[in-house]
Amino acid sequence: ELKVEQNPLFLSMQEGKNYTIYCNYSTTSDRLYWYRQDPGKSLESLFVLLSNGAVKQEGRLMASLDTKARLSTLHITAAVHDLSATYFCAGGRGSQGNLIFGKGTKLSVKP
Amino acid sequence: GAGVSQSPSNKVTEKGKDVELRCDPISGHTALYWYRQSLGQGLEFLIYFQGNSAPDKSGLPSDRFSAERTGGSVSTLTIQRTQQEDSAVYLCASSLAWGRIMGEQYFGPGTRLTVT
Repeated sequence: ELKVEQNPLFLSMQEGKNYTIYCNYSTTSDRLYWYRQDPGKSLESLFVLLSNGAVKQEGRLMASLDTKARLSTLHITAAVHDLSATYFCAGGRGSQGNLIFGKGTKLSVKP
Repeated sequence: GAGVSQSPSNKVTEKGKDVELRCDPISGHTALYWYRQSLGQGLEFLIYFQGNSAPDKSGLPSDRFSAERTGGSVSTLTIQRTQQEDSAVYLCASSLAWGRIMGEQYFGPGTRLTVT
């Protein structure tokens, strides 16, 4: 059974600082997603990672996947207040359509 | 183009009543998923439909929960005899699928269900 663990669950950052959110998963997962959720809103897809070594970047966010370590990271560079949100990673396996989500990391970026 | 839509956006119901939640997926997406999000349990998978295959119901928490998908498009999630622990945000997502390969899931805005 696939299990997904994120850490930290809460992250308070100062603007301009860098930080990394970690996502570990328990068994083989052939796809790894990162989503963003603003308060009271739905989930917005950020990145889809499908292969070992995959790296994707969008603005101040960069996601990577290491399938051998069963680890994905979401790196935040020079944080700004607009990045304050909850970030979820989710894994999926083979023909099983559903995603298994981590508990989310609530990020707060302070001036 | 139009995204996933859900209705109602909010639903308040009395304990013991039945509720129906609706999801309109993105046109052309053959796979449709229901999840629920609550403070205590996080994001939980409920059920998913892919084309004409039998739905995967493995995430439904009890037999009070059921879902159907008509004509391969709109889906309805029904909760019978609602309980207070059913209070949550119910999220619908859809994706393309190529055989057994599932594409990226796009989520709707959710239905916030409150059982009083």
